[in-house]
Amino acid sequence: SQQGEEDPQALSIQEGENATMNCSYKTSINNLQWYRQNSGRGLVHLILIRSNEREKHSGRLRVTLDTSKKSSSLLITASRAADTASYFCATTRNTDKLIFGTGTRLQVFP
Amino acid sequence: EPEVTQTPSHQVTQMGQEVILRCVPISNHLYFYWYRQILGQKVEFLVSFYNNEISEKSEIFDDQFSVERPDGSNFTLKIRSTKLEDSAMYFCASIPGDSRSPLHFGNGTRLTVT
Repeated sequence: SQQGEEDPQALSIQEGENATMNCSYKTSINNLQWYRQNSGRGLVHLILIRSNEREKHSGRLRVTLDTSKKSSSLLITASRAADTASYFCATTRNTDKLIFGTGTRLQVFP
Repeated sequence: EPEVTQTPSHQVTQMGQEVILRCVPISNHLYFYWYRQILGQKVEFLVSFYNNEISEKSEIFDDQFSVERPDGSNFTLKIRSTKLEDSAMYFCASIPGDSRSPLHFGNGTRLTVT
């Protein structure tokens, strides 16, 4: 199975702190993506990192990819209450099918 | 910004009934998908659709499921005889011509089978 597992399952922090979420997967991948889901809503794409890339930034987001360890991390710096959501990693392999991880529920307290 | 729209937002149906979930993907997109998320669980791939045919489907997508693009804008998921375990959020997604692009998701339809 290509399924990703994420840790922690839940994370609670104060506004202004950094949040780090990790994702592990089992097979070789084409790319890895991070999505955000607000409660009861659809998923919103945050960032895509290709298998030949090691790090990517987008605003307050920083994603790393270690293909030798089959793992990725998502760092949100200077978190805000509005960052409260579930965050999912998802991978593609030989097709465009996304395989999602179990997600991390992030709670940012003001 | 264009978005994927799904209707209805919530559908309640009795076990054994047929349901049709509707999606309007972004207009210039070419690849279409259905995913589902059982409450509290991970998002699961159901089916991908390109050039008016299914390009890939998961084990979940058995004979009771079907998809259709009846016109140039709608993309539907039909469940012929619903079961209790079909209760979930169903998400439609689409991408433009590059199949490696990130997905654009709709807000989902919550299906409740009673």
